[in-house]
Amino acid sequence: EVQLVESGGGLVQPGRSLRLSCAVSGFTLEDCAMHWVRQAPGKGLEWVSGISWNSENRDYADSVKGRFSISRDNAKNSLHLEMNSLRPEDTALYFCAKDTGGSGSYFVDHWGQGTLVIVSS
Amino acid sequence: QLVLTQSPSASASLGTSVKLTCTLSSGHGTYAIAWLQRQPGRGPRLLMKVNSDGSHTKEDGTPDHFSGSSSGAERYLTISSLRSEDEAEYYCQTWGTGTHVVFGGGTKLTVL
Repeated sequence: EVQLVESGGGLVQPGRSLRLSCAVSGFTLEDCAMHWVRQAPGKGLEWVSGISWNSENRDYADSVKGRFSISRDNAKNSLHLEMNSLRPEDTALYFCAKDTGGSGSYFVDHWGQGTLVIVSS
Repeated sequence: QLVLTQSPSASASLGTSVKLTCTLSSGHGTYAIAWLQRQPGRGPRLLMKVNSDGSHTKEDGTPDHFSGSSSGAERYLTISSLRSEDEAEYYCQTWGTGTHVVFGGGTKLTVL
């Protein structure tokens, strides 16, 4: 069974940093591109960042470019999102998600339950 | 720029059918899309993929009363014999350049 379990969310002040992690199991991580997707309160799904199977391709939404950094450790079955200079508008439920593609995105076929990030003073 | 457009809300009565629409932006009318369901308290779930020719591939566990179809740049999700548990947000998704992913704005379905 494919499982993705996010951790690392919490309450953080504006301007501070937070690191999200996603532990995966039930599939071969190195075969898949991976993503972080968020959903702010009352809003829809927003793609945040994606990373290819070998980490060569990393992309970011304009809203987080220069502040967030995605990484992965295939040997440890984990995905990470380093979030710096956090803003109140980054407040959201953050999901780790698996792609059916490897080098680039295709379809997102499995999701975690999400970890909540609240940016507030 | 690839954009997916969905109506923000839809409603239908128990036991009836509803057809949700996802429209691909100009120049991208041949893209396949995926339909996702987001129920409160749960992560999104992939329901099916819908191709430009109208064929669709359901994921294991997707109920039989869900189906997909296409017409031009529109992709549809039809839910027949609506149940209370079908009340959820429905999103369409496709791929962008590199590892970009594109989501529609979502449709909140209310079952009356």
